[in-house]
Amino acid sequence: EVQLVESGGGLVKPGGSLRLSCAASGFTFSSYSMNWVRQAPGKGLEWVSSTSSSSDYIYYADSVKGRFTISRDNAKNSLYLQMNSLRAEDTAVYYCARDGGSSHYGDWGQGTLVTVSS
Amino acid sequence: QSVLTQPPSVSAAPGQKVTISCSGSSSNIGNHYVSWYQQLPGTAPKLLIYDNNKRPSGIPDRFSGSKSGTSATLGITGLQTGDEADYYCGTWDSSLSAGVFGGGTKLTVL
Repeated sequence: EVQLVESGGGLVKPGGSLRLSCAASGFTFSSYSMNWVRQAPGKGLEWVSSTSSSSDYIYYADSVKGRFTISRDNAKNSLYLQMNSLRAEDTAVYYCARDGGSSHYGDWGQGTLVTVSS
Repeated sequence: QSVLTQPPSVSAAPGQKVTISCSGSSSNIGNHYVSWYQQLPGTAPKLLIYDNNKRPSGIPDRFSGSKSGTSATLGITGLQTGDEADYYCGTWDSSLSAGVFGGGTKLTVL
């Protein structure tokens, strides 16, 4: 069974940093592209970033480019999102999602809440 | 403002059929596969349709997808109260080099 478990969310002040983690199990992690997708309170889904299986191809939404960094450790079956210079508008539930190919997200974690507030 | 356009809400009676549209452009829907997600209240999204019209195992055939040009449609037949949820379309946008979603459609089963 595929399992994706996010952690690392919490309350952070504007301008601060946070690192999210996603622990994967139940599949060959190193064979799949992975994504971060977020959802602000009461709002829709927003794709944040993706990394190919060997990190050769990495993409970011314009809203986070230059502030967020996606990375992965295939030996640890883990995906990360380093978030710097956080803003109030980054407040959201952040989901880790496995790419099923053709840019669809076949499996999702339960999400971790990031709140940016003073 | 989402790159993909969906109606904010749709409604229909139990047992009826409903369709949800998703409109885009040549840089996204026109040249990439479309997927659809169901999000029940308080839960993570769930993949319903991928590659325009394929259903993952476990998704009933009451759910269907289609694509024509720069638009896609999700169809749900035999509506049940348990289908009340938010539905999102998604795809890749080659101009943005980014994943994109529609703004979401809230389905109410009256």
